[in-house]
Amino acid sequence: DIQMTQSPSTLSASVGDRVTITCRASQSIKNWLAWYQQQPGKAPKLLIYEASDLQTEVPSRFSGSGSATEFTLTINGLQPDDFATYYCQQYATYSRTFGQGTKVEIK
Amino acid sequence: QVQLVESGGGVVQSGRSLRLSCAASGFTFSSFGMHWVRQAPGRGLEWVAVVWNNGIKKHYADSVTGRFTISRDNSKDTVSLEMNSLRVEDTGIYYCARDLCGGDCVGWFDPWGHGTQVTVSS
Repeated sequence: DIQMTQSPSTLSASVGDRVTITCRASQSIKNWLAWYQQQPGKAPKLLIYEASDLQTEVPSRFSGSGSATEFTLTINGLQPDDFATYYCQQYATYSRTFGQGTKVEIK
Repeated sequence: QVQLVESGGGVVQSGRSLRLSCAASGFTFSSFGMHWVRQAPGRGLEWVAVVWNNGIKKHYADSVTGRFTISRDNSKDTVSLEMNSLRVEDTGIYYCARDLCGGDCVGWFDPWGHGTQVTVSS
């Protein structure tokens, strides 16, 4: 299976900050990567697919980049609603795998 | 609107069985692959299984192969997960999710259901 590694595991930030989360794949997955946001007690929500395409109705302060084995999720101007846990997921193979998650906390 | 609603969770003893269901609405169910994903308490997301749109092709995570069976009923717009020989480590919230595509292809998950809690006691 393809292993997905996110960093950092936890990130402390303030409203208005720019934050970046990194996701690395154990082998090339081209651009077959999605990012999800999970707020406490809720189901995950799709933010970005194909590494950089923003899902409908997701605010433009979210952006994704990268290809092959290295990817980033950036939030420009953190809002109170953005304090949550973020997961990357590869869909290059039938056995989908997720990163371990990055929790964005209030500093 | 597009909606997925899981049911069937509960508390069960180790070694016993449980069947989860997910009811879909708001889209052409038979056109999409469907997944189950779980989340242990305080942990991350773990993909469990997928069934493609025709219900024939299926794929499982190594951790559940031989114990769990995914199936679907396109006449009732439901996908199920039969869980046998349950272990304490199977405890968690189980989500169903729709794949981007239906046939022999791969895609991202959207939307997700709200989840159903499974607790396996020793």
